[in-house]
Amino acid sequence: DAGVIQSPRHEVTEMGQEVTLRCKPISGHNSLFWYRQTMMRGLELLIYFNNNVPIDDSGMPEDRFSAKMPNASFSTLKIQPSEPRDSAVYFCASSLDISYNEQFFGPGTRLTVL
Amino acid sequence: AQKITQTQPGMFVQEKEAVTLDCTYDTSDQSYGLFWYKQPSSGEMIFLIYQGSYDEQNATEGRYSLNFQKARKSANLVISASQLGDSAMYFCAMSVNNQGGKLIFGQGTELSVKP
Repeated sequence: DAGVIQSPRHEVTEMGQEVTLRCKPISGHNSLFWYRQTMMRGLELLIYFNNNVPIDDSGMPEDRFSAKMPNASFSTLKIQPSEPRDSAVYFCASSLDISYNEQFFGPGTRLTVL
Repeated sequence: AQKITQTQPGMFVQEKEAVTLDCTYDTSDQSYGLFWYKQPSSGEMIFLIYQGSYDEQNATEGRYSLNFQKARKSANLVISASQLGDSAMYFCAMSVNNQGGKLIFGQGTELSVKP
């Protein structure tokens, strides 16, 4: 049974470029979460979806960040334009629902913005 | 506001000994969940154990147990019989009922197991 799949695993881009991170949740999971991990801020939730609908995007840092979930098996996190301070590891996680069930994390995408 | 505090940035333990990683939480909600995740140097986040606020028994999963003291708002992770492969970052996290599945993480504790 495949876990949460994220692509790319590593991304290096230049400031000002658009970056798109992709996530495929575990089949049958109804909730999807995007987290960002940095040394300074630790792990922080950016946005989460339930049944493909965004529930809470209060963690999205600014308008340069956007996330979509067009169907139950795919989500994207886009940064446009990217800035060096966006460099971080971005995790996608999924769970059966938005109760206390464990969240299964993907391997993460390490983003470096030069 | 909800908050998770892990006061030990780093810990050392001798192989085969037990170790306790501290976690305290702050919430005014009565219904919440507490989690521990392991992050090895490879970077993935691995779920270890979960405790619900209404669970009367401490959660256990193999060598992991969660020492839940509700009145003190603590949820310490106990790892018994430490192994070299236990060396990693450990994160305590909380989800609160009225915020859906949102997880709030602590800053983590880096555990090093010595042979």
